[in-house]
Amino acid sequence: TQLLEQSPQFLSIQEGENLTVYCNSSSVFSSLQWYRQEPGEGPVLLVTVVTGGEVKKLKRLTFQFGDARKDSSLHITAAQPGDTGLYLCAGAGSGGTSYGKLTFGQGTILTVHP
Amino acid sequence: EAGVTQSPTHLIKTRGQQATLRCSPISGHTSVYWYQQALGLGLQFLLWYDEGEERNRGNFPPRFSGRQFPNYSSELNVNALELEDSALYLCASSPFYGYTFGSGTRLTVV
Repeated sequence: TQLLEQSPQFLSIQEGENLTVYCNSSSVFSSLQWYRQEPGEGPVLLVTVVTGGEVKKLKRLTFQFGDARKDSSLHITAAQPGDTGLYLCAGAGSGGTSYGKLTFGQGTILTVHP
Repeated sequence: EAGVTQSPTHLIKTRGQQATLRCSPISGHTSVYWYQQALGLGLQFLLWYDEGEERNRGNFPPRFSGRQFPNYSSELNVNALELEDSALYLCASSPFYGYTFGSGTRLTVV
């Protein structure tokens, strides 16, 4: 069974601060996806990283996939109140019973105070 | 382009009853994925349908079942409802490398 440990579970910061969310696993994933979910809505895809060591930037968000494709991080620079939400990492299985499924981390609830 | 649509938005059922949830994927997408998001448990993979066939199944009892129709829409059926089945049920369709989720069906079992 593939597991993704996401930390921290809760993050409460002031506007302008930087933060990092981590996802770690003992399993190798074919890709790692990051989602953001608002209350009452489904998760919305932010980015997919595929290659070990890959770094992707989306405005103030930086996503990194570990060299061994077992871990990933999301770094937000100069957080804004609009960044508030639930952030989820998800690993795509590479074969066998994992094929076609995503394994999600437990999520990080981010609150950015003005 | 319409996104993934799910119905109903909310569903209240009594323990022991059956619930039917529906999903229409993005036009042209042949795969539908079902996930359960229960409070405090994150998203758990339920089922994957592609081209009308069940391709993979998560660690859920057989009373969770579904099907995919020729137009690629899908139904999720939950029989003999239990209180712990209360959750947000999310449907997604996907090209490679990234899901598009619907807004979900909130199922409450009382």
